[in-house]
Amino acid sequence: AQSVTQLGSHVSVSEGALVLLRCNYSSSVPPYLFWYVQYPNQGLQLLLKYTSAATLVKGINGFEAEFKKSETSFHLTKPSAHMSDAAEYFCAVTLTSGTYKYIFGTGTRLKVLA
Amino acid sequence: DTGVSQNPRHKITKRGQNVTFRCDPISEHNRLYWYRQTLGQGPEFLTYFQNEAQLEKSRLLSDRFSAERPKGSFSTLEIQRTEQGDSAMYLCASSFAESQAFFGQGTRLTVV
Repeated sequence: AQSVTQLGSHVSVSEGALVLLRCNYSSSVPPYLFWYVQYPNQGLQLLLKYTSAATLVKGINGFEAEFKKSETSFHLTKPSAHMSDAAEYFCAVTLTSGTYKYIFGTGTRLKVLA
Repeated sequence: DTGVSQNPRHKITKRGQNVTFRCDPISEHNRLYWYRQTLGQGPEFLTYFQNEAQLEKSRLLSDRFSAERPKGSFSTLEIQRTEQGDSAMYLCASSFAESQAFFGQGTRLTVV
């Protein structure tokens, strides 16, 4: 069975500091992995996705993630945090390309300190 | 195109009442998904449609829940005899085949 674990329900960083949000997955077959961002009372916006092409995936707003099969990880990073990055971030997995029947992690709330 | 539209945005209902939510997908998107998100959790898959056909339902979708997409365009999600545990954000997403899925802003249900 598939699952996604996000370590750290809350992460605080200073403005300009590195953002690192952790995601580990469990899957018996090669997964398709996604990161979404959710602002308060809003839907989910896709940041980036891994679909078995390049292991380093670049997304919107300066975010990127690296798929590491050996570590079963797909951590999200951004070199320099901006106040507007404060939001909740969700890692998700699906087994089938093009079917958005996701299994989401529990989310990480990012706080950016001035 | 205004994106995926969900109505109402907020709904407060008394326990035991029936509620219905509507999702209007992006025009010409043939796939439509429903998710439920409770406080402090990630969204959980409920069901999905390809055109008017409901292809999959989660075991989370109890007998009190029913979803329809009668003409392959908008979809409705009905909850009968609501319970306090049904309080959640209900999210809808749509995609055209395997292209990117877009989420609506959700309907927040509060059962009192």
